Amino acid sequence: EAGVTQFPSHSVIEKGQTVTLRCDPISGHDNLYWYRRVMGKEIKFLLHFVKESKQDESGMPNNRFLAERTGGTYSTLKVQPAELEDSGVYFCASSHPGDPYEQYFGPGTRLTVT
Amino acid sequence: RKEVEQDPGPFNVPEGATVAFNCTYSNSASQSFFWYRQDCRKEPKLLMSVYSSGNEDGRFTAQLNRASQYISLLIRDSKLSDSATYLCVVTSTGNQFYFGTGTSLTVIP
Repeated sequence: EAGVTQFPSHSVIEKGQTVTLRCDPISGHDNLYWYRRVMGKEIKFLLHFVKESKQDESGMPNNRFLAERTGGTYSTLKVQPAELEDSGVYFCASSHPGDPYEQYFGPGTRLTVT
Repeated sequence: RKEVEQDPGPFNVPEGATVAFNCTYSNSASQSFFWYRQDCRKEPKLLMSVYSSGNEDGRFTAQLNRASQYISLLIRDSKLSDSATYLCVVTSTGNQFYFGTGTSLTVIP
């Protein structure tokens, strides 16, 4: 069974540009989560989808971040316009509806804003 | 105040040693507890859940003390392959995870 995949693995953009990160969860996992790790800090929750609905977006830092999960399959996280402090590793995780706490993480997207 | 606090280490131990990591959490309403393992530049992977009665999985033992809001992980007979960062994870009423910053372990030959 394929795990959680994320694209791209790395992205280097300039301040003010736009970047879109993609996450493909494990098939059948209704729960999809986005997390971020800024250098030197702990991994922090951004938001949680159940199918196509945003269940909890309390961790989204500001309105420059937009997450979508149209159709309840893959999800995108867009940062527009990017700022220097957005640099970090963005992880996606998914879990089965029957076991929401067993979250499987993707390899992450390393975003560098210069 | 951080939700989850961990000693970042690093812990450098010889092969075969026993090592223990501790973690405290601030929210007394926290419901579920986990230890994740993260190798360098890789994703976190679930090592084990932590139950109130304590639980063991091979060389790994996890303990939870709700009164003190404290979680521990004990690794016996350390192997070189145990070298990694160990992340303490706590959930509350929702599904979101609260992570500690991680404790770095290096097992030395």
